[in-house]
Amino acid sequence: EVQLVESGGGLVQPGGSLRLSCVASGFTFSSFWMDWVRQAPGKGLEWVANIKQDGNEKYYLHSVKDRFTISRDNAKNSVYLEMSSLRVEDTAVYYCARSIFSVVEGDIIFDYWGQGSLVTVSS
Amino acid sequence: SYVLTQPPSVSVAPGKTARITCGGNNIGSKSVHWYQQKPGQAPVLVIYYDSDRPSGIPERFSGSKSGDTATLTISRVEAGDEADYYCQNYESSSDHPVFGGGTKLSVL
Repeated sequence: EVQLVESGGGLVQPGGSLRLSCVASGFTFSSFWMDWVRQAPGKGLEWVANIKQDGNEKYYLHSVKDRFTISRDNAKNSVYLEMSSLRVEDTAVYYCARSIFSVVEGDIIFDYWGQGSLVTVSS
Repeated sequence: SYVLTQPPSVSVAPGKTARITCGGNNIGSKSVHWYQQKPGQAPVLVIYYDSDRPSGIPERFSGSKSGDTATLTISRVEAGDEADYYCQNYESSSDHPVFGGGTKLSVL
């Protein structure tokens, strides 16, 4: 059974930093792209970032580029999201998701999701 | 930027058919995927590549596309189908996935 378990969320002041982790199990982690998708309270889904199987390709939402960094450790079946210079508008539940992604064909499917980790940016 | 447009809400009586639309420029040339999100839960993939169903998703869920509109159809709607539904595809010009705004399905 595929499982994705996020951790690391919490309350942080504007301008602060936070690191989210996601541990995967039930599949060959190193064979899949991994993504972070967020959902602000009462709002819709918004893709944030993703990382290739070997960690050598990464893509970001424009508004988080230069503030957020995605990384992975295939030996630990884990993907991370390092967030800095956090803004109030970054407040959201952050979901870790496994994806089937083709850059060449321009298509992506999120086939499994974690339960999410809440990040609250507030003074 | 690329936008996928969904109706904010759809209401249907139990046993009837619900249709949720997703419109976008040139959507006919892109694959569309659909997710179900029940309150307090993570999204679940219910339709991929316009009309394929993952294992474990009931046959009552189907997808189609015509022109610039994709449609998620739920037949014989049950109370347990009440949820938010999101369409999604990929915007090649900016290299990132795009979600529709979501549709809240209410079962009367």
